[in-house]
Amino acid sequence: DAGVIQSPRHEVTEMGQEVTLRCKPISGHDYLFWYRQTMMRGLELLIYFNNNVPIDDSGMPEDRFSAKMPNASFSTLKIQPSEPRDSAVYFCASGRNIQPQHFGDGTRLSIL
Amino acid sequence: AQTVTQSQPEMSVQEAETVTLSCTYDTSESDYYLFWYKQPPSRQMILVIRQEAYKQQNATENRFSVNFQKAAKSFSLKISDSQLGDAAMYFCAYRSAEGAQKLVFGQGTRLTINP
Repeated sequence: DAGVIQSPRHEVTEMGQEVTLRCKPISGHDYLFWYRQTMMRGLELLIYFNNNVPIDDSGMPEDRFSAKMPNASFSTLKIQPSEPRDSAVYFCASGRNIQPQHFGDGTRLSIL
Repeated sequence: AQTVTQSQPEMSVQEAETVTLSCTYDTSESDYYLFWYKQPPSRQMILVIRQEAYKQQNATENRFSVNFQKAAKSFSLKISDSQLGDAAMYFCAYRSAEGAQKLVFGQGTRLTINP
C-alpha cells in the first residue's frame, strides 16, 4: 500500500505569496491530520479531519491559514499571505480510529 | 490539557550498547495510548512502538521495548544492541483513547550512536 503522499517536498517562496500544501492520505483512513514542526515549538497539531469534516482547528495559528478536505483522498493546507515565521516542516498524517497515525514525508517550507 | 515531557535533549551511546530514553506525561484520563516515533535525518516520522494504557504488559518490538509505569506517568524507551541506523530524533507522543485523536508530542531526544 502507498503511504501518505505529500507535495511538494520543498517549497521556497517570497513573503506575501500564497502557499498550498497537498496531501493524499492512505486509502481507507478516515482521519487526516496536519502538523507543523519548528525548532521553537516542536511538533504541533494544526487541524484534523474525520470523514472529511474538520473536527479541531484550534491549532491553526491565524486566519492566514486554511485547510480543506474536499474528498476522502485529498486535503490542502493553504497559507495566504505567507510570512517568514511560517517557515517550518509541515506534516500530513492519516489514521483509522484507534490505529496509529502514519505520516507523510513532510513539506519543508521556506518563506523569504 | 495533556502534556508530554522529554527531559533529555540529547543522548549518546556506543554501538551495540543499551540506551534508555525518558518520557513523562500528564493527563487526567485513565485510557489512552502512548507512542515512540523516530525521525531520522531524512525527516520521516516512523512509528517505533505503541502502548495501550489499559495493558500492564510492556510493549516490545525486536530491539525496542518500553517501561510503562502508569501510576508514575512514565514511558521510557529502551534500545538494546544499538545500531548506527538508530541515530535519530525520538519523540514520545500521547493520544486519548476517546474523543480527540490528535497526538501530543514531547520535544524530542536526539540520539547519537558512537561507532
